[in-house]
Amino acid sequence: QVQLVQSGAEVKKPGSSVKVSCKASGGTFSTYAIRWMRQAPGHGLECMGGIIPIFGTANYAQKFQGRVTITTDESTSTVYMELSSLRSEDTAVYYCARDYYDSSGSWNYFDYWGQGTLVTVSS
Amino acid sequence: DIQMTQSPSSLSASVGDRVTITCRASQSISRYLNWYQQKPGKAPKLLIYAASSFQSGVPSRFSGSGSGTDFTLTIGSLQPEDFATYYCQQSYTTPRTFGQGTKVEIK
Repeated sequence: QVQLVQSGAEVKKPGSSVKVSCKASGGTFSTYAIRWMRQAPGHGLECMGGIIPIFGTANYAQKFQGRVTITTDESTSTVYMELSSLRSEDTAVYYCARDYYDSSGSWNYFDYWGQGTLVTVSS
Repeated sequence: DIQMTQSPSSLSASVGDRVTITCRASQSISRYLNWYQQKPGKAPKLLIYAASSFQSGVPSRFSGSGSGTDFTLTIGSLQPEDFATYYCQQSYTTPRTFGQGTKVEIK
């Protein structure tokens, strides 16, 4: 059974950075993309970007380009998401999820999710 | 980015009702469309992938249809545990994008 376990809640000042981790266990880590989503209070889900650990190259949604960095440590099966220049609007629950592709290689979907990490940005 | 638009944004229904939620993509995405259920304080849970394929363990009252730009999630007979928010998501390209959600509330 695959598990994604995220790091704990953070409180940050405006202008600072936050780094959230997502540790995978129980399944194949390197060949599936891990993507990061966020959900502001009372709002929907927004995909920030992702990485395929075996390739190590991340891609980012245009909205977050220049502010987000997604990295991986294959030795610990952990993916990291760092968001910089934080502002109050970045207050949200951040989720990692495995972007699984089925056996035919045709269909992708998020099959396993982390528990979520609340990041609060406040002065 | 591909924009996903759901309707309605919320609805009120009773146990036993048939409920339909629609999702429209800003461009054709073939059948690369997934549906998730989210309950308060929890991560989303996959219900349907590839527009109409069931995820293992999902009750058969949930069904999906559509292709191209227009998709539908139907709950055949609403149960108490189905009151939640539902999201569509395209997996045609990156960045993955979600609809804004449909909250299903008790009437």
